[in-house]
Amino acid sequence: AQKVTQAQTEISVVEKEDVTLDCVYETRDTTYYLFWYKQPPSGELVFLIRRNSFDEQNEISGRYSWNFQKSTSSFNFTITASQVVDSAVYFCALSEEYSGAGSYQLTFGKGTKLSVIP
Amino acid sequence: DTGVSQDPRHKITKRGQNVTFRCDPISEHNRLYWYRQTLGQGPEFLTYFQNEAQLEKSRLLSDRFSAERPKGSFSTLEIQRTEQGDSAMYLCASSPNTGTYGYTFGSGTRLTVV
Repeated sequence: AQKVTQAQTEISVVEKEDVTLDCVYETRDTTYYLFWYKQPPSGELVFLIRRNSFDEQNEISGRYSWNFQKSTSSFNFTITASQVVDSAVYFCALSEEYSGAGSYQLTFGKGTKLSVIP
Repeated sequence: DTGVSQDPRHKITKRGQNVTFRCDPISEHNRLYWYRQTLGQGPEFLTYFQNEAQLEKSRLLSDRFSAERPKGSFSTLEIQRTEQGDSAMYLCASSPNTGTYGYTFGSGTRLTVV
């Protein structure tokens, strides 16, 4: 069965520091998809990125970057020059191509709460 | 289209009462999902619809839970005889038919059973 582990429960950084959020996953499928979502205090889950298992290229979007390494089953997320608005809970999630009735249901980690201190 | 809408945002109910939540997905999305999120945890999958057909249900969805999506548009999630353990955020999400592009989540309905 699939599993996502986010070992860091809470992280606090001072504004402008870089921070990396770790994500380790387990799956038996060869085709799968990895996601990061942000959940601000308002509660809505905001999609950040999707990665498929065949694309190991790192990705950068502004201050955000993602490092996908199949060899270590990790999909880590780095925020450069953090800002107070980055304070939120961040979830890593996994979707398998052959899960259930083709639902592509997401399996989430427990999340990492990031606090950026001004 | 303003995204996935959920109603109500908050619901407080007494133990033993029935509650019903509504979700309006993005109009062109065929797939609709319900997730439950308890405090300090990630969301957990409850059920999945493709159009009006409920194709998958989690073991978390006990007999007291029922979900419908008549006509393949909005969906309702009903909990009968609520228990304190049902207190959680109930999240609805929708996605295009490919299913691989991730979901758009609604803001959720926070249920408190007292």
